[in-house]
Amino acid sequence: EAGVAQSPRYKIIEKRQSVAFWCNPISGHATLYWYQQILGQGPKLLIQFQNNGVVDDSQLPKDRFSAERLKGVDSTLKIQPAKLEDSAVYLCASSFASTGIGTEAFFGQGTRLTVV
Amino acid sequence: RKEVEQDPGPFNVPEGATVAFNCTYSNSASQSFFWYRQDCRKEPKLLMSVYSSGNEDGRFTAQLNRASQYISLLIRDSKLSDSATYLCVVFMEYGNKLVFGAGTILRVKS
Repeated sequence: EAGVAQSPRYKIIEKRQSVAFWCNPISGHATLYWYQQILGQGPKLLIQFQNNGVVDDSQLPKDRFSAERLKGVDSTLKIQPAKLEDSAVYLCASSFASTGIGTEAFFGQGTRLTVV
Repeated sequence: RKEVEQDPGPFNVPEGATVAFNCTYSNSASQSFFWYRQDCRKEPKLLMSVYSSGNEDGRFTAQLNRASQYISLLIRDSKLSDSATYLCVVFMEYGNKLVFGAGTILRVKS
């Protein structure tokens, strides 16, 4: 079974530039998460989708971050404009269920963003 | 209080040792719990799921104490390859979201 696919793996941009990340979840997984992981910390949820609807985006800095999952499958996360503190690994994960059994998430390899 | 708290460590143990990590969570209504392993510069990978009182898989045992709101992970006969960060994850029923702890670093030395 194919896992969660993310691209690109690495990205270096200058502050104030824009960047976009792409994620294709495991087939059949309705729930999709975007997490931000800063070095030395646990993953922090940015946004959660259930199919193509947003379940939780309370920690997404909406003045600069946006995300969409238009057809309920793959998703993009955009940052515009980027700040130095956005340097982190952006992890996409998906899970089969939104509650009960099957809520464990499976992660892609992540995109390592460096803002200079 | 953080929703999920872990002792960051690092735990430095010799090969063959038994080591245990604890994790506390704030929401008593949470029903699903997980331990993930994360190697340096890699993505988190699911180690164990805990839906009832506990789970065991080879050298790894997870236990859940709902009354005290903590989950533990026990690793027996530690191997060098067990060196990693162990993330405690709680599925929060309110909002239906997974919340991660900051992780506990384990270093197994020969």
